[in-house]
Amino acid sequence: KQEVTQIPAALSVPEGENLVLNCSFTDSAIYNLQWFRQDPGKGLTSLLLIQSSQREQTSGRLNASLDKSSGRSTLYIAASQPGDSATYLCAGPDQAGTALIFGKGTTLSVSS
Amino acid sequence: DTGVSQDPRHKITKRGQNVTFRCDPISEHNRLYWYRQTLGQGPEFLTYFQNEAQLEKSRLLSDRFSAERPKGSFSTLEIQRTEQGDSAMYLCASSLLTGLWKGANVLTFGAGSRLTVL
Repeated sequence: KQEVTQIPAALSVPEGENLVLNCSFTDSAIYNLQWFRQDPGKGLTSLLLIQSSQREQTSGRLNASLDKSSGRSTLYIAASQPGDSATYLCAGPDQAGTALIFGKGTTLSVSS
Repeated sequence: DTGVSQDPRHKITKRGQNVTFRCDPISEHNRLYWYRQTLGQGPEFLTYFQNEAQLEKSRLLSDRFSAERPKGSFSTLEIQRTEQGDSAMYLCASSLLTGLWKGANVLTFGAGSRLTVL
């Protein structure tokens, strides 16, 4: 059964810092892994999707990596801005490949 | 296409009342999912449809919950005899999966419907 864990639960940084959010998963036979952003009281916005054959994906200041052998993914945010403040969730498919299993998220606060 | 739409965005109801949420997926998507998210937690899978067929239901989906997707287009999620523990954000997502490669199943989420049961 796939389980997804995110550490830390919360993170506060000053503007301009580079930071890393961590995600670990138990089933290494993962088809893909997605990172989402969620603003308070809002739905989920997909940030990056990494297929199992890929090691990383980049979009602007965001870079996500996937290491299936260690069961880990990281989301790197460069030059953080106050607008990056949100909850970041990672998710991987269950073993059947149908439902997404989410971590509890990391709540990021970037101060100006 | 404007993405996945959910209605209403916020519903406040009294315990014991019935509520219904609607989801309009991206038009060409054949899969539709319902998730529930409580404060401080990640979304939890409830059920999904492939076209009009409901193919999987989570154990979280008690018999007070029913979901439909008539004609394989929009979907409704009804909660009967609401309880305070039903207070949560109900998220809908859709995806297009046409082949066998499960890694291609990429979900797009709506903005959610927040339920508050008093």
